[in-house]
Amino acid sequence: GENVEQHPSTLSVQEGDSAVIKCTYSDSASNYFPWYKQELGKRPQLIIDIRSNVGEKKDQRIAVTLNKTAKHFSLHITETQPEDSAVYFCAATLGSNFNKFYFGSGTKLNVKP
Amino acid sequence: GAVVSQHPSWVICKSGTSVKIECRSLDFQATTMFWYRQFPKQSLMLMATSNEGSKATYEQGVEKDKFLINHASLTLSTLTVTSAHPEDSSFYICSAIQGGDTQYFGPGTRLTVL
Repeated sequence: GENVEQHPSTLSVQEGDSAVIKCTYSDSASNYFPWYKQELGKRPQLIIDIRSNVGEKKDQRIAVTLNKTAKHFSLHITETQPEDSAVYFCAATLGSNFNKFYFGSGTKLNVKP
Repeated sequence: GAVVSQHPSWVICKSGTSVKIECRSLDFQATTMFWYRQFPKQSLMLMATSNEGSKATYEQGVEKDKFLINHASLTLSTLTVTSAHPEDSSFYICSAIQGGDTQYFGPGTRLTVL
């Protein structure tokens, strides 16, 4: 089955700096890669996603890049703010079963004011 | 739009009892719902995929007789933890798909088994 690895497990940055979180996946047939933000005790919220036919996608301070050959994708947050502090999860679909996806282990981002 | 609710938000029960958790899509019809389990400071572990009107598909290692899933309508899926034990204590989260790719998550249910 699909194996999604995520690094780092914790990330601490100064307010205003950039943060990068990386994920790798094992199934070359995976074709959809969402990123979720989860605050303590709350539901995961989709922040950005990318499909396999696109190499990069940006939404204001958040961007995601995808390298299909290397089977890795990354989340980039620029000009970080304290409210960006949360746990971030990447996910990847499992082969042809487009809707079923598996999560990475999560990255706890701490933005220091 | 695309709001998913769960009930209850938290529940405490005695060992050996059964607990039912409801997942509802409030403003859309969900073709598929998913159930996840999340331990403290860990990732979401997919337990099962639930399609309306058919049997749920369980992930490897998840006991289907222990975690009963019923998806009776396009807006409601239920997860029943049968004969609960302390090791079943966890945060259970459902998600629903409106028809595209995105999964919309419920707020989760924290189960504590004494």
